[in-house]
Amino acid sequence: EAGVVQSPRYKIIEKKQPVAFWCNPISGHNTLYWYRQNLGQGPELLIRYENEEAVDDSQLPKDRFSAERLKGVDSTLKIQPAELGDSAVYLCASSLASLKTQYFGPGTRLLVL
Amino acid sequence: AQKITQTQPGMFVQEKEAVTLDCTYDTSDQSYGLFWYKQPSSGEMIFLIYQGSYDEQNATEGRYSLNFQKARKSANLVISASQLGDSAMYFCAMREPNQAGTALIFGKGTTLSVSS
Repeated sequence: EAGVVQSPRYKIIEKKQPVAFWCNPISGHNTLYWYRQNLGQGPELLIRYENEEAVDDSQLPKDRFSAERLKGVDSTLKIQPAELGDSAVYLCASSLASLKTQYFGPGTRLLVL
Repeated sequence: AQKITQTQPGMFVQEKEAVTLDCTYDTSDQSYGLFWYKQPSSGEMIFLIYQGSYDEQNATEGRYSLNFQKARKSANLVISASQLGDSAMYFCAMREPNQAGTALIFGKGTTLSVSS
């Protein structure tokens, strides 16, 4: 069974540019999470989806970040415009109600210059 | 206040030795879950072990065991017979309440280095 897929793996952009990350969860997993991991820190939740509904986006900086999960499967996270402080690893995870844990993708490493 | 505290920034161990990675947590919920993840340099978070707050037995998964001391609010990870491939960052995480779909709260991690 395929794991959580994320692309791109790496992205380097200049500040004020837009950037988008894509995530395809494990097949059948109804819950999808986006986390941000700053250097030397643990991941922190940005947004959580139950199917296509965003049920927890309290930590998403809505002035520049947006996310969508059309049809309740794959998801896109966008930053526009990017700032230097957005440099981080963006991790996508998915889970199923019957399972104990979340499964993570390999992440997208973003560097904003 | 920190929800999850990992006080060891780095730990060093020799191959085949056991190592304990510390984790303390803070919650007023009776229902919570505790997790350990491994993050190698490739970046992916790999699930290792889970302990529910109502579980009476300490969780074990192969070479990993979780030393759960509820009264002390600690959930230390014990890795027996360390291997070179265990070198990675290790994160303790909590889910409160312990319901499927709830996001995880992570500590800052401990870097484990295993030498031959």
